[in-house]
Amino acid sequence: AQSVTQLGSHVSVSEGALVLLRCNYSSSVPPYLFWYVQYPNQGLQLLLKYTSAATLVKGINGFEAEFKKSETSFHLTKPSAHMSDAAEYFCAVSDGRQGAQKLVFGQGTRLTINP
Amino acid sequence: KAGVTQTPRYLIKTRGQQVTLSCSPISGHRSVSWYQQTPGQGLQFLFEYFSETQRNKGNFPGRFSGRQFSNSRSEMNVSTLELGDSALYLCASSSGGRVQFFGPGTRLTVL
Repeated sequence: AQSVTQLGSHVSVSEGALVLLRCNYSSSVPPYLFWYVQYPNQGLQLLLKYTSAATLVKGINGFEAEFKKSETSFHLTKPSAHMSDAAEYFCAVSDGRQGAQKLVFGQGTRLTINP
Repeated sequence: KAGVTQTPRYLIKTRGQQVTLSCSPISGHRSVSWYQQTPGQGLQFLFEYFSETQRNKGNFPGRFSGRQFSNSRSEMNVSTLELGDSALYLCASSSGGRVQFFGPGTRLTVL
């Protein structure tokens, strides 16, 4: 069975500082990995995805993530935090089998940006 | 292209009632998945429909059901509502690739 663990339910950084949100996964098959962001009272917006191509994935809003198979990790980073980045972030894994659309999510990390 | 739409956005029901939520996927997308989001359990997969057939199912009781129409629009139904069914219900559509696009959700409150 697949699972995702996000380390830290709350992360607080200063505006302009590095953002690092941690995600570790467990999967018995080659995984597809995703980061989604959720703003208050909204649905989930895709930030980026890893689908077995390049291990360093660039997403929207300046975010990127690196797939490390040896560490079973897919951490999300952004060099310089902006106030608008305050939101909840979810890491998710999908079974790589053809046609499988089930996403398994981590518990989420709430990111707070301090002025 | 218009995104995934869900109706209604907010719903208040009482215990024992049933409810139907609707989801219209992105045009051309044939896969529709449903998720439940609660503070305690987080985001959990309910089921997925593709070409009017349920293709995947999560670990939810039979009170939760769904269907998909020939135009790919989907509905989910919850019968005999319980207080614990209060949640944000999210619908996502996919063109058959790996990426799912989410709608804004329907917030269900059960009193």
